[in-house]
Amino acid sequence: NAGVTQTPKFQVLKTGQSMTLQCAQDMNHNSMYWYRQDPGMGLRLIYYSASEGTTDKGEVPNGYNVSRLNKREFSLRLESAAPSQTSVYFCASSVGGSFEKLFFGSGTQLSVL
Amino acid sequence: AQRVTQPEKLLSVFKGAPVELKCNYSYSGSPELFWYVQYSRQRLQLLLRHISRESIKGFTADLNKGETSFHLKKPFAQEEDSAMYYCALSQRNAGNMLTFGGGTRLMVKP
Repeated sequence: NAGVTQTPKFQVLKTGQSMTLQCAQDMNHNSMYWYRQDPGMGLRLIYYSASEGTTDKGEVPNGYNVSRLNKREFSLRLESAAPSQTSVYFCASSVGGSFEKLFFGSGTQLSVL
Repeated sequence: AQRVTQPEKLLSVFKGAPVELKCNYSYSGSPELFWYVQYSRQRLQLLLRHISRESIKGFTADLNKGETSFHLKKPFAQEEDSAMYYCALSQRNAGNMLTFGGGTRLMVKP
């Protein structure tokens, strides 16, 4: 049982480049989330998807887009990367809402030069 | 808006000493509060939630609505408790927003 799988684990981009972070869960969870983790600021919610076919903005959505491809997969896209997007990105999933236990992926360390 | 504050970025104690990681929140409704932990080279995982009123790995946390706090406590720290700890708050009636504090790194020295 893999749980929540994120790819890639590491990525270096130049300013202006685009990329997509992939996330998949095999626990049949309805809700999926993308967070970014920055020192001293904890985890901040970028986007979430309460169920297949729906997505909503979180606390820091600017510069990102998401796609809930199906129940298993929730991708995060940076269309034009900026140095301010250097961070560690975590995908998470839960059965229902965030009041349920969240299961996290192992993270993607992204550097934008 | 809801907010979670963890005033200490780093807490260093000796093995066997009591530990208290502070968490304060601001929220007008009825909160659901959690502690998540990230051990070195491991995934972030749930440690405990206030509605369960449970003790996990010797840790407990009591919700104090009067002081709007949810401090995490353990009477005798162990070296394996060294990790990053995050307090988080969720609102049932406002989408699926889980708000995290800035985190406290706990270092337990031998």
